[in-house]
Amino acid sequence: DAKTTQPNSMESNEEEPVHLPCNHSTISGTDYIHWYRQLPSQGPEYVIHGLTSNVNNRMASLAIAEDRKSSTLILHRATLRDAAVYYCILRDANDYKLSFGAGTTVTVRA
Amino acid sequence: DGGITQSPKYLFRKEGQNVTLSCEQNLNHDAMYWYRQDPGQGLRLIYYSQIVNDFQKGDIAEGYSVSREKKESFPLTVTSAQKNPTAFYLCASSVGGHQPQHFGDGTRLSIL
Repeated sequence: DAKTTQPNSMESNEEEPVHLPCNHSTISGTDYIHWYRQLPSQGPEYVIHGLTSNVNNRMASLAIAEDRKSSTLILHRATLRDAAVYYCILRDANDYKLSFGAGTTVTVRA
Repeated sequence: DGGITQSPKYLFRKEGQNVTLSCEQNLNHDAMYWYRQDPGQGLRLIYYSQIVNDFQKGDIAEGYSVSREKKESFPLTVTSAQKNPTAFYLCASSVGGHQPQHFGDGTRLSIL
């Protein structure tokens, strides 16, 4: 499985943007980049995914490097409800499973 | 509202007993999954099913069994052969392929 590298933790102030980096230097051409987040004692929640182009949705934006070896999840205005563990996952187009690493723990200060 | 329901939220098991965790979805998804999460760790795949009456082992299937008799249901049995069953168990479903997975709120299993 292609692996990802994320910082263990990040802190942000409320209403400021948060940029979460993810390195995936061994990504293959058929790997999609997925982001999920997990609040304490809850199941993970899908955030966003992309293949080559940058993606935007109501929750976040995903910026993908031109060589696809890294990506950044952008939360435009952090709220206290965004405090969670964020997972960056590579998933082959033909693979059903998600392989979760340790993720990045995001803390939001009021 | 459509979603995934896991029950019970908390479950206690005596050593040597089998227990079954329930997972029901009304999203009309073909694929369903079971994951296990240990404290401070990411999720690990136990079993998954792409279609009714078919399922495949994931990375840590030993000591677990599943069935997929109906599209909306994918129960997981934790057998007595699973030596370290205490964990947070998560069920998910997806349309299939690279589509996003939707997760339930989990069942926390503990050994008495």
